[in-house]
Amino acid sequence: GAGVSQTPSNKVTEKGKYVELRCDPISGHTALYWYRQSLGQGPEFLIYFQGTGAADDSGLPNDRFFAVRPEGSVSTLKIQRTERGDSAVYLCASKLAGTDTQYFGPGTRLTVL
Amino acid sequence: SQQGEEDPQALSIQEGENATMNCSYKTSINNLQWYRQNSGRGLVHLILIRSNEREKHSGRLRVTLDTSKKSSSLLITASRAADTASYFCATVPGSGGSNYKLTFGKGTLLTVNP
Repeated sequence: GAGVSQTPSNKVTEKGKYVELRCDPISGHTALYWYRQSLGQGPEFLIYFQGTGAADDSGLPNDRFFAVRPEGSVSTLKIQRTERGDSAVYLCASKLAGTDTQYFGPGTRLTVL
Repeated sequence: SQQGEEDPQALSIQEGENATMNCSYKTSINNLQWYRQNSGRGLVHLILIRSNEREKHSGRLRVTLDTSKKSSSLLITASRAADTASYFCATVPGSGGSNYKLTFGKGTLLTVNP
């Protein structure tokens, strides 16, 4: 079946602009995660959704970052007033309830000029 | 913050040789997982080992876990050029209520030369 998809695959924006990154999880997966991966580093947790609600947003770096999942499926990560330090690959993963394996999408490479 | 630390940071071997990567972590875990990443994009889940397990196999992969030393190793036998990738260990905490969250290390970059 279809895996996790993320759009766009690449996003180049200017400092100060607003961006939205989309994640379409595997059908039926109630858990959804966002991670951020900087060059040469492992992915770092940003936020976890169980259904429609954000069960843990402790990894969001500041209030410029926000994520939603209004219908419990597709999620959007929103970044306001982007900064050069936001440049990274943003990864989304989903997981079936009661299991341990997270399935990752291909990521969105965000470049802030 | 990153919990796991992989060792070595980079490893270069010849096709057919075995590759061993190590991971150390700091706090108690529910399970430890290994992922592979090609070209800095999506991660592929390889294998999961639970805190009460000591060794697991999957095809050419062998994972060990030593909870007393808070360490794990991933062995890839008879490596192939297609195994060239970054390998990450990731832990799920054993307590504290965050047993849904993966914490990754910085990864080992494996290069398998044909």
